[in-house]
Amino acid sequence: EIVLTQSPGTLSLSPGERATLSCRASQSVSISYLAWYQQKPGQAPRLLIYGASSRATGIPDRFSGSGSGTDFTLTISRLEPEDFAVYYCQQYGSSPQTFGQGTKVEIK
Amino acid sequence: QVQLQESGPGLVKPSETLSLTCTVSGGSISSYYWSWIRQPPGKGLEWIGYIYYSGYTNYNPSLKSRVTISVDTSKNQFSLRLTSVTAADTAVYFCARDGGGKSVDVWGQGTMVTVSS
Repeated sequence: EIVLTQSPGTLSLSPGERATLSCRASQSVSISYLAWYQQKPGQAPRLLIYGASSRATGIPDRFSGSGSGTDFTLTISRLEPEDFAVYYCQQYGSSPQTFGQGTKVEIK
Repeated sequence: QVQLQESGPGLVKPSETLSLTCTVSGGSISSYYWSWIRQPPGKGLEWIGYIYYSGYTNYNPSLKSRVTISVDTSKNQFSLRLTSVTAADTAVYFCARDGGGKSVDVWGQGTMVTVSS
C-alpha cells in the first residue's frame, strides 16, 4: 500500500499568514489522485482539493493544491480564523486508499 | 443536496459483530461508490472499503477477513459488518460518498462505536 507522510506535524501560524503543508507518497500516486481534507474537532472531514489541484465545490480560492508523482503541497494563501484545523492528504488512485497522519495548523 | 446518516449501536462487546447502517437522503444510491472510513480517538483516518450500487465491493486488506459491506437500493441504504471486534476497533465510523475522480466528497457526521465488555 502507498504510505503518505505529512509534514510538519504541527504548524503554528498567525491569521493572515501563508501556510504550506506537505504530503509525500512512498510511491507514485496514480493519475494524481490525491485529495486534501480539513477536519475540525467533533466534525467529519471536509473535502478541499481533489485530483491534486482541483478545488471542491464551495472551497475558497485561498486554498490551492499542487504537485504530482510523490510530492504534493496544500497552500493556504492567507489564514482565516476558521482555517485552524487538522489537514489530511489521501491517495485514492491505488487500493487500498490511504491517508496521511495529518498536519495540525494552530494559532501562534 | 445529498446527506448521509449513520445509525447503529454505540457499544459492542469484544468478539461480537459491529453493525452500522448509512441512510442516503437527497439523492439516489444507484450511482457512485459508497464508503466506510473510521477514526480511532485522537488518531488519523482509515479507509475500510466501499461498495458500488451494483454490489461490487473493495475492502482494505488489513480488515478484509472481517468486513462485509452491503447495499439495499430499495431503502437507499448501505451497511457495514465487522466481525470479531476488539478494543482496537473502537473508533468514530463515517459513511461517505466516493465520487471516483473527486474522491470522498460527502460525509456523514460519524458515529462513535466503543468495543468494551
